[in-house]
Amino acid sequence: QVQLVQSGAEVKKPGASVKVSCKASGYTFTRYYMHWVRQAPGQGLEWMGIINPSGGSTHHAQKFQGRVTMTRDTSTSTVYMELSSLKSEDTAMYFCAREGLTFYLPYWGQGTLVTVSS
Amino acid sequence: QSALTQPRSVSGSPGQSVAISCTGTSSDVGGYNYVSWYQQHPGKAPKLMIYDVSERPSGVPDRFSGSKSGNTASLTISGLQAEDEADYYCCSYAGSYTGVFGGGTKLTVL
Repeated sequence: QVQLVQSGAEVKKPGASVKVSCKASGYTFTRYYMHWVRQAPGQGLEWMGIINPSGGSTHHAQKFQGRVTMTRDTSTSTVYMELSSLKSEDTAMYFCAREGLTFYLPYWGQGTLVTVSS
Repeated sequence: QSALTQPRSVSGSPGQSVAISCTGTSSDVGGYNYVSWYQQHPGKAPKLMIYDVSERPSGVPDRFSGSKSGNTASLTISGLQAEDEADYYCCSYAGSYTGVFGGGTKLTVL
């Protein structure tokens, strides 16, 4: 069965960077795009970006231009999302989610809480 | 991209039907048949309920249905049950491998 296991919670200071991992299993890693979605406390879901695990190409929401980097390691079936220049507004639960056959997300990781505080 | 527009809250009694709207533009909802809907209970990861506007994943009750007209998509839940009480989010493809979510709708079962 498809499983997405994310790294543990992080506490960072403003201006720092955070790197969240998402290890996939139960399917052919390179066959499906992976998305990143975040949710600030008490707020809605926000689409951040997408990576093609096969070739490594990425696309992201304009809002995160210059601050988000998505990478993958095919040897370990793991994708990474690094967010830099952190601000308090980046405090959120970050989810990885595997795409289906088209643009939808049937499988989600458990989430990684990132707290940005001085 | 701007978030898709959803009503903040809807409510209904057990057994009734409710509809949740999701309004975008011709660059997202209106331009592609790639609208999906997610149910989220507190403290949990979202769960896919509808994809490609009106397709239902296996295991999702047929009480849940989706549709689209122009720039507005809708999720309809018929025969409301207590366990349907949750937050619901729409999501649309917005071109160039990007997506956008709606602001979310809180469903209360009275």
